[in-house]
Amino acid sequence: NAGVTQTPKFRVLKTGQSMTLLCAQDMNHEYMYWYRQDPGMGLRLIHYSVGEGTTAKGEVPDGYNVSRLKKQNFLLGLESAAPSQTSVYFCASSYSPLKGTQYFGPGTRLLVL
Amino acid sequence: QQQVKQSPQSLIVQKGGIPIINCAYENTAFDYFPWYQQFPGKGPALLIAIRPDVSEKKEGRFTISFNKSAKQFSLHIMDSQPGDSATYFCAASYGNTDKLIFGTGTRLQVFP
Repeated sequence: NAGVTQTPKFRVLKTGQSMTLLCAQDMNHEYMYWYRQDPGMGLRLIHYSVGEGTTAKGEVPDGYNVSRLKKQNFLLGLESAAPSQTSVYFCASSYSPLKGTQYFGPGTRLLVL
Repeated sequence: QQQVKQSPQSLIVQKGGIPIINCAYENTAFDYFPWYQQFPGKGPALLIAIRPDVSEKKEGRFTISFNKSAKQFSLHIMDSQPGDSATYFCAASYGNTDKLIFGTGTRLQVFP
């Protein structure tokens, strides 16, 4: 099992460009999450999904959109990138009711110039 | 009320020492408190977790102490090793969404 995978690993964008980050999991998990990690701020939840076809806002959703068309995939979109979105993005998945056991991907480092 | 406050921001100990990382919360609805370990360039991974109906949980060299009345919990690493050098995050969750609220992280360095 690959677990949780993320593509790409690293990307440089110019302000105003758009991109999509892909997260895939092969553990048949219902729940999936997108976080951003910034120095001194821990991990902050952007959006999450409790099942195929569902999405919900997390703590810092502005400037991002998500889609969960297939159970195994969770996409994070930036329509018009801003320098404030420079961060490391982590995807995670979990199978409730194993509460709190989220499995994280390796991260995508995004630099917005 | 949704915050989890973590301290210290960084910690340096010698091999064999017992680093202690502390977290505090306000929301009494939190009912699950995991700790995650993150190595450089990797995603966080679950280390150990506790529910508020117990005051202590031990797994190998890692122990969580939980003080429900003070709304605080801490991670102790016994006989710390250089391989324990990582960033540690406490977290809390409530309800049935499995959402986690993370602390800001503690960077631990264990020197030989």
